[in-house]
Amino acid sequence: GAVVSQHPSRVICKSGTSVKIECRSLDFQATTMFWYRQFPKQSLMLMATSNEGSKATYEQGVEKDKFLINHASLTLSTLTVTSAHPEDSSFYICSANRDTLRGETQYFGPGTRLLVL
Amino acid sequence: TQLLEQSPQFLSIQEGENLTVYCNSSSVFSSLQWYRQEPGEGPVLLVTVVTGGEVKKLKRLTFQFGDARKDSSLHITAAQPGDTGLYLCAGLTGANSKLTFGKGITLSVRP
Repeated sequence: GAVVSQHPSRVICKSGTSVKIECRSLDFQATTMFWYRQFPKQSLMLMATSNEGSKATYEQGVEKDKFLINHASLTLSTLTVTSAHPEDSSFYICSANRDTLRGETQYFGPGTRLLVL
Repeated sequence: TQLLEQSPQFLSIQEGENLTVYCNSSSVFSSLQWYRQEPGEGPVLLVTVVTGGEVKKLKRLTFQFGDARKDSSLHITAAQPGDTGLYLCAGLTGANSKLTFGKGITLSVRP
């Protein structure tokens, strides 16, 4: 079964509004979660690393004031797209790091489709 | 910047055929993961390979990690339409636990 959930699965909003996406690890604690963006027919692009109890680490070119990340607990990270514009429309996917016997493994959420009108 | 090159980028085959796809890099990874993604969904982990030379089998899928831990291959035996999807490889480095993704291989299996 799914080990990482995302909510909502899809959202449509007006330009200029803010949208919050939640990512939850369901049966394990994740000190580190990741947020990705994926455009049609392209691979996943890492946006930022979300660390529980500290500030997120953003990849080069990703605006931290536009994409606010809060890792509120060991099972929850949120991504808020502030003042969304049509070019922010994309598929946003989170993942959570899980320690296993074979080392770290990232488990991905089902994604959130954002459409900004 | 570490890069993972996946090939071929697109592959369309008939049901029942065998295929091999590749994931290559000039960098060494502590582990490499293969994911399968269907449209509108998140990637689903298929396998993690850690040891150089390691071979892992998942039903009709065989994964191999190169001896130098820089490359990997995925072989599918007797492909089925249900195998259709985007296959992504991703390498994990020790630094920050970040995954580096390849661009993916779009596989289409025709009935």
